[in-house]
Amino acid sequence: DTGVSQDPRHKITKRGQNVTFRCDPISEHNRLYWYRQTLGQGPEFLTYFQNEAQLEKSRLLSDRFSAERPKGSFSTLEIQRTEQGDSAMYLCASSLGQGASSTDTQYFGPGTRLTVL
Amino acid sequence: GQNIDQPTEMTATEGAIVQINCTYQTSGFNGLFWYQQHAGEAPTFLSYNVLDGLEEKGRFSSFLSRSKGYSYLLLKELQMKDSASYLCAVKNSGAGSYQLTFGKGTKLSVIP
Repeated sequence: DTGVSQDPRHKITKRGQNVTFRCDPISEHNRLYWYRQTLGQGPEFLTYFQNEAQLEKSRLLSDRFSAERPKGSFSTLEIQRTEQGDSAMYLCASSLGQGASSTDTQYFGPGTRLTVL
Repeated sequence: GQNIDQPTEMTATEGAIVQINCTYQTSGFNGLFWYQQHAGEAPTFLSYNVLDGLEEKGRFSSFLSRSKGYSYLLLKELQMKDSASYLCAVKNSGAGSYQLTFGKGTKLSVIP
């Protein structure tokens, strides 16, 4: 049983460039989440998908950020015109959602560490 | 809004017991999670509480008091590999109920 996978694990880019990250959730999980984590902080919620529908977006997700989950399986997170403040670990998580009242444990991938120079 | 507080750092001795506290203030509550995160790695699920009381799972136990907005994670028989950050996270109820709001984490150092 494979867990959540993310690609790439590390990305170094220059300010102003666009970057795209990929997340492959646990195969039977219908919910997928993106979080951002900076040093010394807990993960901060960015966005959430149920199947292919993007149902929640944080105000942290500026218009330079876009996420997709076109077939309800893998997801991509794109950052356009990167800024130094975007440097962080980008974590993806998935869960087997069975209603708002279920435990709905989120399982995290290894993350993509982005460094913007 | 949400506010989750936990100590920044703790140190404990190998073989001992340590308790990591978490207090929270939320507009809605639908469960509290504890995750372990080793440096540079992903958070790993440890425990979930939604009702008051103690949940025990091997060397780890987690307690919740909803009326007090308080939880703790208890680690027994500490091992060196338990050195990590421990994250407390609250799941909301109602709108936005699928996201977790995390505290800043408690960095635990286990010393010989």
